[in-house]
Amino acid sequence: QVQLVQSGAEVKKPGASVKVSCKASGYTFTSYGISWVRQAPGQGLEWMGSISTYNSNTKYAQELQGRVTMTTDTSTGTAYMELRSLRSDDTAVYFCARDMTTVTGSYYMDVWGKGTTVTVSS
Amino acid sequence: SYVLTQPPSVSVAPGKTARITCGGNNIGSKSVHWYQQKPGQAPVLVIYYDSHRPSGIPERFSGSNSGNTATLTISRVEAGDEADYSCQVWDSSSDRIFGGGTKLTVL
Repeated sequence: QVQLVQSGAEVKKPGASVKVSCKASGYTFTSYGISWVRQAPGQGLEWMGSISTYNSNTKYAQELQGRVTMTTDTSTGTAYMELRSLRSDDTAVYFCARDMTTVTGSYYMDVWGKGTTVTVSS
Repeated sequence: SYVLTQPPSVSVAPGKTARITCGGNNIGSKSVHWYQQKPGQAPVLVIYYDSHRPSGIPERFSGSNSGNTATLTISRVEAGDEADYSCQVWDSSSDRIFGGGTKLTVL
């Protein structure tokens, strides 16, 4: 079955970096993009960015530009999200999700990983 | 930037119909997608492209979109439907955007 398996929880100090992985299985990895979405405690979902697994083109949310990098390893079917210069308000659950497109050019996410908790604390 | 507005909470009795709205400027011209999220779990896609249900989602879940409001309708609500529901669109300037989420309480 189609699934995305994410790496385990992380605890980081302010100013550090974190890299979260997302391993896909059950489908052809390069046929679908990957989006990253985060959710701070008690808050809503926030799109962070997306990457094409076909050509590695990326789009990032404006507020994260310069701090986030998304990459893929097509040999293992794994996507990565690295966030640098961590702050306390980066504490959140980070989800990867498979990107789907509609005939109208819209995007949505049909399969999600279980999430990775990242805690930023001194 | 494009903004999606959802009511923070909706309450409904079991067996009744719940309607969760998602407001946005001329949202009827966009494709709206809906996600269900239970506590401690990942979101689950329940409606895509305004009104399409993924396989495995009960027919009780339906969606509509017109003018400035999209609506997720859950018929014959069950206790297991209690969750947070978020709408999402794609916008050419803001890319993928989520609404703030609505907590559905089954009384």
